[in-house]
Amino acid sequence: DQQVKQNSPSLSVQEGRISILNCDYTNSMFDYFLWYKKYPAEGPTFLISISSIKDKNEDGRFTVFLNKSAKHLSLHIVPSQPGDSAVYFCAASAGNSGYALNFGKGTSLLVTP
Amino acid sequence: KAGVTQTPRYLIKTRGQQVTLSCSPISGHRSVSWYQQTPGQGLQFLFEYFSETQRNKGNFPGRFSGRQFSNSRSEMNVSTLELGDSALYLCASSLGQTSYNEQFFGPGTRLTVL
Repeated sequence: DQQVKQNSPSLSVQEGRISILNCDYTNSMFDYFLWYKKYPAEGPTFLISISSIKDKNEDGRFTVFLNKSAKHLSLHIVPSQPGDSAVYFCAASAGNSGYALNFGKGTSLLVTP
Repeated sequence: KAGVTQTPRYLIKTRGQQVTLSCSPISGHRSVSWYQQTPGQGLQFLFEYFSETQRNKGNFPGRFSGRQFSNSRSEMNVSTLELGDSALYLCASSLGQTSYNEQFFGPGTRLTVL
């Protein structure tokens, strides 16, 4: 069963505005969360991560928020740029049970000029 | 620093054959993980190797196997190929010292089974 869910298959945002990508998880043992970006014909590229001891992590235009009680995380991109158009994957792992990443099915972001 | 490399990039096989895929991790990375990406199932974890030992395994049949060499390079083998094995196979490397190390992905090998 899918332990990490990205319920929006696609998202369209205008250049300069905020993009918000959402992710929900079901396994309460997950304690490390990552976002990856993927272009066609390339492997996923690591964007940003957050551990469960934090509720926010920022890196430039990218911020990830974690709400443990709701088992929800989100990725904010501000401001959005056309080059951000890609598929974004949310991933989670449980530190005490191995190194496997559990991925959501991805959200395709389109940033229009 | 060179990224993760995978060979070959594209492969076409027929049902019943076997295939071997190769992955070279980032220099200094000792952990290599393999994932299968399909349109229906998304990215699914196959297995992870660290210092030539399989540390973790996903829910795939025994036809899927792997190994890691002393230089951290890894190979993945699929025997008795089925049509459903057609997928993008991704390799990721990390330092592997803790499960909180980020994994860096290669470009993948696109396997088509006819």
